[in-house]
Amino acid sequence: SAVISQKPSRDICQRGTSLTIQCQVDSQVTMMFWYRQQPGQSLTLIATANQGSEATYESGFVIDKFPISRPNLTFSTLTVSNMSPEDSSIYLCSVEGQPAPNYGYTFGSGTRLTVV
Amino acid sequence: GQNIDQPTEMTATEGAIVQINCTYQTSGFNGLFWYQQHAGEAPTFLSYNVLDGLEEKGRFSSFLSRSKGYSYLLLKELQMKDSASYLCAVWGNNNDMRFGAGTRLTVKP
Repeated sequence: SAVISQKPSRDICQRGTSLTIQCQVDSQVTMMFWYRQQPGQSLTLIATANQGSEATYESGFVIDKFPISRPNLTFSTLTVSNMSPEDSSIYLCSVEGQPAPNYGYTFGSGTRLTVV
Repeated sequence: GQNIDQPTEMTATEGAIVQINCTYQTSGFNGLFWYQQHAGEAPTFLSYNVLDGLEEKGRFSSFLSRSKGYSYLLLKELQMKDSASYLCAVWGNNNDMRFGAGTRLTVKP
């Protein structure tokens, strides 16, 4: 299965600032998915990122707040903009395991964000 | 709407068997997955069901009934290391994975 390198692993940020999270995959993948996991909660899909097109955002998430880049088939970034304490969460990127769908999704190790 | 429901918490004894249920109502269905997530770690894939019936993989088995919108994860010969959250997830029409809230399993000696 794919190996995903996600960074930073954690950060503490001031409200009003932005943080960009990076995910690098060791193989080419069509879609990458960004999730948020708030403390004690399950995963909520933020958006799906395809190379060469704009990301598709889920209800409740907008591009101005969570801009996503997908410059090639192995890399994606998620920016959390104009942060507030409510954005404190774990952010995870994921890709389909191969062969899809038999192996579910593979996740990056996550970015634990604390906004103060 | 989309609902994926599973119990919030369960407790079981080391060596025992535990069944974690999941019911779902989603706009599309291309498969059901179970993941294990230890505290502070990313989820890891456990099982995948797309056809009705039981899939067995070592100590873990997963069952699916598509007509009932129901699945369960069966863990046998529980070990302390099985203490974790277990997430039920449905793979939908847009190739996206939607997760239930997770069941936190505590295994006691």
